[in-house]
This record gives sequence, structure tokens and C-alpha cells, in this order.
Amino acid sequence: DQQVKQNSPSLSVQEGRISILNCDYTNSMFDYFLWYKKYPAEGPTFLISISSIKDKNEDGRFTVFLNKSAKHLSLHIVPSQPGDSAVYFCAASTTSSNTGKLIFGQGTTLQVKP
Amino acid sequence: NAGVMQNPRHLVRRRGQEARLRCSPMKGHSHVYWYRQLPEEGLKFMVYLQKENIIDESGMPKERFSAEFPKEGPSILRIQQVVRGDSAAYFCASSPLPRGGDQYFGAGTRLSVL
Repeated sequence: DQQVKQNSPSLSVQEGRISILNCDYTNSMFDYFLWYKKYPAEGPTFLISISSIKDKNEDGRFTVFLNKSAKHLSLHIVPSQPGDSAVYFCAASTTSSNTGKLIFGQGTTLQVKP
Repeated sequence: NAGVMQNPRHLVRRRGQEARLRCSPMKGHSHVYWYRQLPEEGLKFMVYLQKENIIDESGMPKERFSAEFPKEGPSILRIQQVVRGDSAAYFCASSPLPRGGDQYFGAGTRLSVL
């Protein structure tokens, strides 16, 4: 039962262009969403988060959009840089529960070509 | 401003031995989460602890696995009588807030069972 899905295993974009990574979820109780970047042999690095009371959050080159009716979120990276090449995970949690455990998607490997 | 510290980074054990993984949260964080990443999979929640308390262990295998977060010292994830299927990357995350918010991850411990 995959509650958080990243349907694109990989994505390749040209340097300077926009990268759009997508994530879908099925559990309507999720109300907090996060994106992480992960390099091989390292831990996930927190990028950006969004609460369900918002539909957009921006931090520098990173913007996360949330469409609650579609149970869909996306991460936009503009402009993309070669150093952005990594695996990107979306994660979701239910803040009203007694635990803040994160449910992760399977990840999307982004390659930014110079 | 040290981040989440995990040690050892790599651990090799033979079947039947015990594995102890340690995690020191970020300064000021009293909430610790453990996740496991099996090869070619996303991260899966194992357990959520506060100081001296296990809050949610719904992701922990029922046997051989235990976790603690004592009043003093790091959080410990203990795996008794390891089997080959325990080979994975184990990540610890910490948060300053209860029940979620942004979680910050350590570099992980890669356990290999021979």
C-alpha cells in the first residue's frame, strides 16, 4: 500500500531549465509535506516543506506546489544546476497524530546536464 | 551547529551477531526518528522516540529490533541476531518539535550482514 507515489523514476533536464518533480498521495489525512534531496552514500537533505493550509511555498530556486483536491504536489527547481543532480524524495505526515512519522515516496533521480 | 551524527558509518556483522547503531540528534532537538532504506527502495519509518520514551514503534519488526533514547547519551537502534535481510542503510532524523515538523537526517549507517 504505497501511500506516497513518485511515478517517474528518473528525469533529465538541461542546465538552466526548469526541473519539475511530481508526487501523488492517497491518504487524505496527510497535512504536511516535505521534499528531500539525497546523494549516494549520504543522508537525505531537507529542501522545503509545505503545510496543507497553503498551496505554494518558495525558497530560493525551489518552489513546492500543493493541489489538495488532486492529492498532488510538485517541486520546481529554477534554474536547474548540475549540482542538483541527485535523488529527490517527497514525504508526507499527519501532524494531528501522536507521531510525526514521514511516509516517503520511492524517489526520482534527477540528472541535470551541463 | 553540528548536525545529526550517526555512527558507525559502516558496520559489518556476521549472521547471528548483534548490531548497535548510534544517533546523536541536533542540539536542541529532543525528538528522534529511525528509518530504514532497503536496496532500491524508499525510506521506511521504524520508530519515533522522545527522551526516555518510545512514542511510536509501529514500523519496527516485532522481533530482534529495539530502540532507546536515554536521558543522557545518544539514541541506540539495536538489532539482535542479525540476518542477511537486515542489510540496509539505517537513517536517524531529529526534530525540535513533537509530532513532526521538519526532520533533519544524519548520514546513515550502512549495515552489511555476511
